[in-house]
Amino acid sequence: AQRVTQPEKLLSVFKGAPVELKCNYSYSGSPELFWYVQYSRQRLQLLLRHISRESIKGFTADLNKGETSFHLKKPFAQEEDSAMYYCALLGGGGGNKLTFGTGTQLKVEL
Amino acid sequence: GAVVSQHPSWVICKSGTSVKIECRSLDFQATTMFWYRQFPKQSLMLMATSNEGSKATYEQGVEKDKFLINHASLTLSTLTVTSAHPEDSSFYICSAIPGGVSNQPQHFGDGTRLSIL
Repeated sequence: AQRVTQPEKLLSVFKGAPVELKCNYSYSGSPELFWYVQYSRQRLQLLLRHISRESIKGFTADLNKGETSFHLKKPFAQEEDSAMYYCALLGGGGGNKLTFGTGTQLKVEL
Repeated sequence: GAVVSQHPSWVICKSGTSVKIECRSLDFQATTMFWYRQFPKQSLMLMATSNEGSKATYEQGVEKDKFLINHASLTLSTLTVTSAHPEDSSFYICSAIPGGVSNQPQHFGDGTRLSIL
């Protein structure tokens, strides 16, 4: 069975500090991984996906198959980064089904 | 582009009534839509995959007769919670994939908060 684990429910950092939101997955096939973000009072939106290998809003995430991880990183946190972040895995029998992690609340303090 | 609209955003109703939630893709067609349920401070749990013109595919443990899904057009899927009870109170979120193309990202609605008294 596929599973996504986000070990931290809450991550609090100071503005300008580096950020790393952890995500580990369990999947027998070839995974496709995403990070979604939900800002306060807004809908869930795609932040980035591993196949794009791009940086969005300064965030990057590299798929590490050896460690089965897809950690989200940003070198310098900004106040506007405060949000709920969900790691998600696409897979499992086709049909574009996403399996979400439990989410990490990022709080950037001044 | 790729906006998904949910209606209503919040509904409160008495136990035993049925509640319908709509999910619309506003500027694209979606052959596939998804319905999720989210409990407070927990993750999104996929309830079912809604396919236009065919029966929905429900996840294990989700009652088909309790959560009726209809995807009658390429821009509209509805979720009806039948004979709702307080334990059905939750946040329901839908998503859609433009054109239903494989590996395209899902676009999410704002969600519907359902409270059963």
